[in-house]
Amino acid sequence: DAGITQSPRHKVTETGTPVTLRCHQTENHRYMYWYRQDPGHGLRLIHYSYGVKDTDKGEVSDGYSVSRSKTEDFLLTLESATSSQTSVYFCAISTGTGSDEQYFGPGTRLTVT
Amino acid sequence: DAKTTQPPSMDCAEGRAANLPCNHSTISGNEYVYWYRQIHSQGPQYIIHGLKNNETNEMASLIITEDRKSSTLILPHATLRDTAVYYCIVRTTGTASKLTFGTGTRLQVTL
Repeated sequence: DAGITQSPRHKVTETGTPVTLRCHQTENHRYMYWYRQDPGHGLRLIHYSYGVKDTDKGEVSDGYSVSRSKTEDFLLTLESATSSQTSVYFCAISTGTGSDEQYFGPGTRLTVT
Repeated sequence: DAKTTQPPSMDCAEGRAANLPCNHSTISGNEYVYWYRQIHSQGPQYIIHGLKNNETNEMASLIITEDRKSSTLILPHATLRDTAVYYCIVRTTGTASKLTFGTGTRLQVTL
């Protein structure tokens, strides 16, 4: 399995509080991604990064920000969590070259009460 | 990226081949067909991809029709551990092109 970890794995937080999720990789892959998954939906891309300090928005980026200060870490921040952000969050990595398959982390289950 | 259509669910007996179809009639010439699966609540797992030739790896085979408008993922000897949601995705490669997940096919492997 690709070396991807996510922390925390589970979190319960209150509406209006800031939350940061961490994705850590040991593969030295250039690209990193954050997805969310909700019942009845496939995975939807929130943000992605194509290098240190280089990030871009996905299809559901409102209410989220990201940062990547090191190749191995990609942080997802909910500045002020809302109940609609209750979801399972997956991080993924890829080389960005060749077949460019993405490898996914184990996920973080976030509940906003 | 082209849109794909998959049946919502399928059943397969353990030990038999599981054939999962995918329609991608609007695929363009530089788009590949990728398959991923998601077992229960785990992160999606890459299975295989192809452009126009049939492909095989240790997990599965991918058969793409000559006109490339549809494909079939084949699990040759399904086991209970293959019970999962299978996603067919069409995308370009060589860029950080995003994976657009639909709702996939829920494959149930039974004894």
